[in-house]
Amino acid sequence: EAQVTQNPRYLITVTGKKLTVTCSQNMNHEYMSWYRQDPGLGLRQIYYSMNVEVTDKGDVPEGYKVSRKEKRNFPLILESPSPNQTSLYFCASSLGVTDTQYFGPGTRLTVL
Amino acid sequence: KQEVTQIPAALSVPEGENLVLNCSFTDSAIYNLQWFRQDPGKGLTSLLLIQSSQREQTSGRLNASLDKSSGRSTLYIAASQPGDSATYLCASTTDSWGKLQFGAGTQVVVTP
Repeated sequence: EAQVTQNPRYLITVTGKKLTVTCSQNMNHEYMSWYRQDPGLGLRQIYYSMNVEVTDKGDVPEGYKVSRKEKRNFPLILESPSPNQTSLYFCASSLGVTDTQYFGPGTRLTVL
Repeated sequence: KQEVTQIPAALSVPEGENLVLNCSFTDSAIYNLQWFRQDPGKGLTSLLLIQSSQREQTSGRLNASLDKSSGRSTLYIAASQPGDSATYLCASTTDSWGKLQFGAGTQVVVTP
């Protein structure tokens, strides 16, 4: 089944404890990105990747890192999480930049 | 900067009635416009993608139109069912790095 998977789906952590949210797609898509969704602010792009080894910042990249070493994986790294990073995170992928974007099931992160 | 607006924020209709969901955008230089469905606490499901050169797309009971000159897109859902209850989001891409600019969504309730 063609899909975007994220792990973990739910995570509660404490301030400053490094964490990684994994994202993987099995559709051989070139383009991948990360969004966060917050009440009243909607969905905002954090980082995107046009292809392997090419990544760039979206609208809200502060406090996040990404890497794209393989086409299928695009992990989101929070080196020192803070409470303002409590949010619902989505990974998305598409064949090309202007093609249909497919979203993962989301990761609900709480930073205490 | 592209701004995407969805009005109304919430909508309730009886089962069987046709649904009309509106999306407006300020920058007509879009690459595409995409409609998504989001169920509570869940990820986004892509419904329809309309490329810049297209006027409409259809899938089953769903039909989406695009009018770039007026900055509007409309999603029609024929013969609504309780299973159509969800939040519907529209998003446009206006840059060459694929960032989706989302509206805030319309929450739809279809009553039996």
